[in-house]
Amino acid sequence: AQSVTQLGSHVSVSEGALVLLRCNYSSSVPPYLFWYVQYPNQGLQLLLKYTSAATLVKGINGFEAEFKKSETSFHLTKPSAHMSDAAEYFCAVIWNSGNTPLVFGKGTRLSVIA
Amino acid sequence: DAMVIQNPRYQVTQFGKPVTLSCSQTLNHNVMYWYQQKSSQAPKLLFHYYDKDFNNEADTPDNFQSRRPNTSFCFLDIRSPGLGDAAMYLCATSRDRRGRLEGYTFGSGTRLTVV
Repeated sequence: AQSVTQLGSHVSVSEGALVLLRCNYSSSVPPYLFWYVQYPNQGLQLLLKYTSAATLVKGINGFEAEFKKSETSFHLTKPSAHMSDAAEYFCAVIWNSGNTPLVFGKGTRLSVIA
Repeated sequence: DAMVIQNPRYQVTQFGKPVTLSCSQTLNHNVMYWYQQKSSQAPKLLFHYYDKDFNNEADTPDNFQSRRPNTSFCFLDIRSPGLGDAAMYLCATSRDRRGRLEGYTFGSGTRLTVV
């Protein structure tokens, strides 16, 4: 069965440290992959997307993600965390088969410690 | 800026009293979606409209209905809200049916409280 998994429901980093949020998918054909960020009581904002062009994707706010087919992963990184990065991050996919809509992982809450 | 606008941002309704949430878009996208997001959970798709074609998710309760009178507007109607329907409701749009290349654009959400 197709699935998207985010490892770690909560990640805590110090300000200035590397941010790494993990996302893995399970499907025979790589899906279209997205990362969204959600601040408290807000909607979802698209950070970046992978649509089968370059495997290293740069997004907004200094975030980037690398698609690795061999590892079925699309991890989100940022070299240096800022206090304003504290939020909920969702990995989401659109599967390549059928007309299925955007499906979200369970999310990872990022805390940034001063 | 083109955007997706949800009104109101916060809605309080009484148990069993019908409530309507609204969404409008200036993007001229063909597809509009309604997601339900309960506390500390991922958004869950309720239904979507591809133009005027309505698509209901299999596990969406009958209590939830939707209307799309024109391209710009879409409404979520909850006929008899229960305490379990308290959640953030997110409206989203995509240019085409799959939304693969651009992803979805989300509104700021409406937080529904049922008392």
